[in-house]
Parts: sequence; C-alpha cells; structure tokens
Amino acid sequence: AQTVTQSQPEMSVQEAETVTLSCTYDTSESDYYLFWYKQPPSRQMILVIRQEAYKQQNATENRFSVNFQKAAKSFSLKISDSQLGDAAMYFCAYRSRGGSEKLVFGKGTKLTVNP
Amino acid sequence: DAGITQSPRHKVTETGTPVTLRCHQTENHRYMYWYRQDPGHGLRLIHYSYGVKDTDKGEVSDGYSVSRSKTEDFLLTLESATSSQTSVYFCAIRMGQGVEAFFGQGTRLTVV
Repeated sequence: AQTVTQSQPEMSVQEAETVTLSCTYDTSESDYYLFWYKQPPSRQMILVIRQEAYKQQNATENRFSVNFQKAAKSFSLKISDSQLGDAAMYFCAYRSRGGSEKLVFGKGTKLTVNP
Repeated sequence: DAGITQSPRHKVTETGTPVTLRCHQTENHRYMYWYRQDPGHGLRLIHYSYGVKDTDKGEVSDGYSVSRSKTEDFLLTLESATSSQTSVYFCAIRMGQGVEAFFGQGTRLTVV
C-alpha cells in the first residue's frame, strides 16, 4: 500500500518570503500522480498543483512550484512571495493511475504567514 | 464549483443512533468517494463508488455502509454512531480516469 509522509506538522513564513513544505511517499508503482491540496479555515479542499510521475519537468502554478525527485520519492512544495491568504493546512496526496484512483493523503502541514 | 453538495453541513447525534450523510452531484461524474478527516490523520478513504450500485471499501470502512442507487447521489450511513466517528466527512467526485477530483464542503459530525 502507498503511504505519504509530511514530516513538518507546522511551518511559518514571513509575508513576501519563500517557504518549502516537504513530502515523501512510498510506492512500488512507476506511474502515478502527486498533488498538493490547500485547506483554509473554510474547510474547502483546494487543489494547488499536480504532478504526473512520468513527466520529468517540475510543475508550476504561479507562485507555487514543486521539486519532484522520483528516485528519492520526494515531492516538496515551494511557495514564493508568500501572502497572508496562503495561510492554511497543506496536504500532500498520492494517486495511482488506473483502478479506483483513490487519493492517499499525508497528515498535513499547517502553514502560518506572519505579516 | 463542480456541482457537488453535501448535506447536512453540521450534525450532532447521540451514540447508537443511525446517521445518513448525503453527497449530491449535478454533473454525471462516475466516481464518488467518502473520506473522513481527523486531526493528525489527514483524510482517509471510507468507501468509494465507480457507478450505480458499484461500491467498494476504503481503508477505514468498519462501521460505515454506502449506497448509490442513482448516479447523482452517494449516501454514507453510520448504522449505529459511536464517538469515534466524530469527524469531518468529505465527499469527492471525479469524471473519469486521470482527471481531477473535486471535493464537497464537508460535513462536521459530532457523536455525543
């Protein structure tokens, strides 16, 4: 079974600075997806960024980018120019390609942005 | 908004009573999922469905049952609620293979 580990329960960053959230995963599969979800206090789960394992290029979405190291099974999220609205819980998730394609989540990292 | 609605949004119930949570979608997505979210655990899959009357268990299915008699509705039932089932429950939907899942806004269930 796949597992996802987020080793940082909490992180903080100053507004306008850069922060990196860590995620590692364990799988025997070669083809899969990885995601970062944001959950603000509203409780809504919001997809931040997605990476397909067969793509070597790291995904980028505006201020959000990932560092995908397939051999090391590492998938970190970098947030540049942090904003107050970035404060939230961030979840790393894994999804197999094919079958049920259920999501396997890490336990989350709570990000605080200080003004 | 991917046309997904969970009801109720909040519920308090007593131990031993049956509870049903509803997930309703308006866009004919094939796949539907129920997750629970607890502090320190992230989200964990309870059950999922890949079509009408086609369901399967997730990693934390004990004490829960589901039904999907029509495409748009996926019901999660706690036959006899326990305090350990106090949680936030999320429904998610997905159109097909390889595309994104969309989440409902969650239901906070408290069992007293």
